[in-house]
Amino acid sequence: DGGITQSPKYLFRKEGQNVTLSCEQNLNHDAMYWYRQDPGQGLRLIYYSQIVNDFQKGDIAEGYSVSREKKESFPLTVTSAQKNPTAFYLCASSSSGGPETQYFGPGTRLLVL
Amino acid sequence: DAKTTQPPSMDCAEGRAANLPCNHSTISGNEYVYWYRQIHSQGPQYIIHGLKNNETNEMASLIITEDRKSSTLILPHATLRDTAVYYCIVRGHNAGNMLTFGGGTRLMVKP
Repeated sequence: DGGITQSPKYLFRKEGQNVTLSCEQNLNHDAMYWYRQDPGQGLRLIYYSQIVNDFQKGDIAEGYSVSREKKESFPLTVTSAQKNPTAFYLCASSSSGGPETQYFGPGTRLLVL
Repeated sequence: DAKTTQPPSMDCAEGRAANLPCNHSTISGNEYVYWYRQIHSQGPQYIIHGLKNNETNEMASLIITEDRKSSTLILPHATLRDTAVYYCIVRGHNAGNMLTFGGGTRLMVKP
């Protein structure tokens, strides 16, 4: 089945620790995105990549880093510089069409211990 | 992107039509209205979009006013599985697919 997978579903981080969230898609989409969602809030864009080896900051990129070495993969690292990382993280991908082509993964819930 | 305003919550009886409004008074001529929904603890799901004509698909209908300053998403026969947060987003079709989600409307379908 085609789709987007995110792992793990739940992730625990200790203070001062970097953690990496995985996102993989087999939809052959060029563009991929990372969003953050806080409880009761909408989604905010962290980073996006429209092509391999290229990515741009979104609205809340501070404390996060990404890489796009392969078309299928867009991992997000939450660094120790992110002071309030507890949130629900959603990965998405889209084709060259409009926003209606954007598909979301199931999300990773990150909790800081 | 044009700003959108949605009521924070709505209730609907199961089997009845759910009408979810969205105001987007600053929409520009080349911007589309998109609707997504997010069931609890899942990723958002695309529902429908339109420019100025009314649109219908297997999930819903979208009614856009003639002046395009507001729209209504209609779920014709709401079921319990339609309980979700519904987001109205205004975006240019060729402006990139980065989406900005506001607070949305939390629709509760009740038996």
